[in-house]
Amino acid sequence: AQRVTQPEKLLSVFKGAPVELKCNYSYSGSPELFWYVQYSRQRLQLLLRHISRESIKGFTADLNKGETSFHLKKPFAQEEDSAMYYCALAGGYQKVTFGTGTKLQVIP
Amino acid sequence: DTGVSQNPRHKITKRGQNVTFRCDPISEHNRLYWYRQTLGQGPEFLTYFQNEAQLEKSRLLSDRFSAERPKGSFSTLEIQRTEQGDSAMYLCASSLGDLNGWELFFGEGSRLTVL
Repeated sequence: AQRVTQPEKLLSVFKGAPVELKCNYSYSGSPELFWYVQYSRQRLQLLLRHISRESIKGFTADLNKGETSFHLKKPFAQEEDSAMYYCALAGGYQKVTFGTGTKLQVIP
Repeated sequence: DTGVSQNPRHKITKRGQNVTFRCDPISEHNRLYWYRQTLGQGPEFLTYFQNEAQLEKSRLLSDRFSAERPKGSFSTLEIQRTEQGDSAMYLCASSLGDLNGWELFFGEGSRLTVL
């Protein structure tokens, strides 16, 4: 079975503060991990995937297989980062499982 | 091609009625996924297809739910004898399905309200 856990439903930070959205996963094989984002009134869209090791909109995420974590980080939050963030895992045959999501609220 | 398209966007129905949702994926995408999302929850996996083959159906899904992708293009999700607990947003997503195409492209969803 594959499972994704996002322990925080809501994370409020001040503009300019660092952000860390937590994600832990459970999967017996080698997973692909992703972060998806949903801005207000928009579709769910890919933010980044661990295999590309990119920084998108200042966000990064490192896969830690020992801790089975894939936390999303940004050093300085901006107001436009306010959105719902979902961690996702692609397991066998690319079945993609999502976490329950964390709402990031950046306070001006 | 403007992306994944879902119809209808909103459906209000009475308990016991059948409803059907349609999803048109991005044309070259061979993978198609259905998810259900309720308030405060993440997308819950329902089923997915590789071309016309249904690869997996969630064990949480009752027999009232059925999905098809007859020609490997559009897909339909039917819910028979709807219950109030079926009220949710039903999301469709598609992907290329190869090693370079893991990204899911989502539609805007079909919102179901069962009275």
